[in-house]
Amino acid sequence: DIQMTQSPSSLSASVGDRVTITCQASQDISNYLNWYQQKPGKAPKLLIYDASNLETGVPSRFSGSGSGTDFTFTISSLQPEDIATYYCQQYDNPPLTFGGGTKVEIK
Amino acid sequence: EVQLVESGGGLVQPGGSLRLSCAASGFTFSSYWMHWVRQAPGKGLVWVSRINSDGSSTSYADSVKGRFTISRDNAKNTLYLQMNSLRAEDTAVYYCARPPLSSGLSPFDYWGQGTLVTVSS
Repeated sequence: DIQMTQSPSSLSASVGDRVTITCQASQDISNYLNWYQQKPGKAPKLLIYDASNLETGVPSRFSGSGSGTDFTFTISSLQPEDIATYYCQQYDNPPLTFGGGTKVEIK
Repeated sequence: EVQLVESGGGLVQPGGSLRLSCAASGFTFSSYWMHWVRQAPGKGLVWVSRINSDGSSTSYADSVKGRFTISRDNAKNTLYLQMNSLRAEDTAVYYCARPPLSSGLSPFDYWGQGTLVTVSS
């Protein structure tokens, strides 16, 4: 199985800060990488697909980049409503696997 | 509007069985692959199983292989997960999720609200 290593596992930042989360795959997954946001008690929500494509309706402060084994997810200006846990997910090779998650809090 | 509504969760003893359902609406259910993803309390997301659009092909995580069975009834627009020989480590919220028509695997652009399965004596 492909292991997805996300870091950090949690972070605290101020409103307006730039936030960056990384995700490393244990083998080359091309750009078959998605990012989800999950708020407490809610289902995950797709934000970025195929490493860098913004899902329809998602604010442009969210972005993704990378290919191969190393990927980055960025919130350009953290907003209070962005408090959530973020997960990366690969789908290059079954079984589909998720990163361990990054919990984002407001400082 | 696309909707996925899970049901069937609850408290079950170790070794017991449970069948989850996911009622789909707002799209042509019979055209889409479907998946189950679970999340143990306070933990991350784990893919469980998937089924292709006509039900002829299925796949499972190793942790549930031989115990869980995914199926679908396209006439009823409903996805199922039959869970047998349940263990404490199967305790989780179970989500059904739908990828786009262009890809059976991912991403999951629609999710249900989840149903909680608790395995405990």
